[in-house]
Amino acid sequence: DAGVIQSPRHEVTEMGQEVTLRCKPISGHDYLFWYRQTMMRGLELLIYFNNNVPIDDSGMPEDRFSAKMPNASFSTLKIQPSEPRDSAVYFCASSLAYPTNYGYTFGSGTRLTVV
Amino acid sequence: GQQVMQIPQYQHVQEGEDFTTYCNSSTTLSNIQWYKQRPGGHPVFLIQLVKSGEVKKQKRLTFQFGEAKKNSSLHITATQTTDVGTYFCAGNRVNAGKSTFGDGTTLTVKP
Repeated sequence: DAGVIQSPRHEVTEMGQEVTLRCKPISGHDYLFWYRQTMMRGLELLIYFNNNVPIDDSGMPEDRFSAKMPNASFSTLKIQPSEPRDSAVYFCASSLAYPTNYGYTFGSGTRLTVV
Repeated sequence: GQQVMQIPQYQHVQEGEDFTTYCNSSTTLSNIQWYKQRPGGHPVFLIQLVKSGEVKKQKRLTFQFGEAKKNSSLHITATQTTDVGTYFCAGNRVNAGKSTFGDGTTLTVKP
């Protein structure tokens, strides 16, 4: 298995532009997570899905952020409009079942820079 | 809500010295997991501890889960430059949909 695949690896965009991050989880994994990592705030859980259904989006910073999982093999995280404070590394992770029992497999991340 | 705290935040050691990071939870855990993130990389799952007082070893790494299942430690014996990175613990409640990550301990090793 190729693991969790994220694209793009790097994204530089101007403030106000729309940004879409993409994730392909490991086949057969029931859970998918979006995390954001910064030096100041560490690893923050933004949202997670179970069987394609959003379960907890309490970590989504504000209405500018939205996430979808149209099928078991694909998820997107969209920021519109983007702001400089959104600059961070965004990780997607998936888990076989309850991640508290099996652990997460993280993707390589998308490094987002908003200028 | 559940909180997981890790200390120290940073640790600088000379190659060959030992290293320990500690993880403390505000609530009793069903299990605890440890991850390692290399500089510029992504967190990678290392191990899971489930039983009270459990000790597991992976080569030079020793993981321990406290008797009360509220704390854990990761000890590295004779550090090497390949050990550099940030070590995260993640505390879990049984059958929970998400883990609670600590803030991590960043280890640097001077050759």
